[in-house]
Amino acid sequence: LAKTTQPISMDSYEGQEVNITCSHNNIATNDYITWYQQFPSQGPRFIIQGYKTKVTNEVASLFIPADRKSSTLSLPRVSLSDTAVYYCLVGGSTDKLIFGTGTRLQVFP
Amino acid sequence: GAGVSQSPSNKVTEKGKDVELRCDPISGHTALYWYRQSLGQGLEFLIYFQGNSAPDKSGLPSDRFSAERTGGSVSTLTIQRTQQEDSAVYLCASSLTLLRGQYEQYFGPGTRLTVT
Repeated sequence: LAKTTQPISMDSYEGQEVNITCSHNNIATNDYITWYQQFPSQGPRFIIQGYKTKVTNEVASLFIPADRKSSTLSLPRVSLSDTAVYYCLVGGSTDKLIFGTGTRLQVFP
Repeated sequence: GAGVSQSPSNKVTEKGKDVELRCDPISGHTALYWYRQSLGQGLEFLIYFQGNSAPDKSGLPSDRFSAERTGGSVSTLTIQRTQQEDSAVYLCASSLTLLRGQYEQYFGPGTRLTVT
């Protein structure tokens, strides 16, 4: 099983760039890496997904090194509304989906 | 179209009672997932369905938990003889394909279950 490991929490200030790294040493060849964001009392929401190298969309970038054993979610210029829990998910060929422990990001003014 | 919907949004039940939680996935989504999230905790995978195929039940915490998906659409998660440790938010998600790592899961708002 492709287990993931993330920092439990991170603090930042408005306007800063935040990088959250997820470790997934046992990632399989066909696995994709997906990040979700969750606000209190809501279901998780898709942020970004990638397989290798770099992916960028309107809200974030995802960096994946060549060995794919880790990935880094980059949030540019965070605001207070980015305060949430961020989950790293590695899609596998097994029957269970493994969410990371989640990283609780707190953005301060 | 509408997103994933779940009902009820809140459920309070007495210990020992049975409960049914419902999930309506996005139309056309072939895969459906159930998760559980206890207060302040991460998501715990419970079960997934792909179309009309037999579900993978290996994530269900005990035999008191069961789920079905009728007609490849609506799903019901049933918890029999509820216990206080079953109190959690139960989240449902759907996606377009069995290749779960390749497509986005859309989550519903969840059902908050409280067992007294």
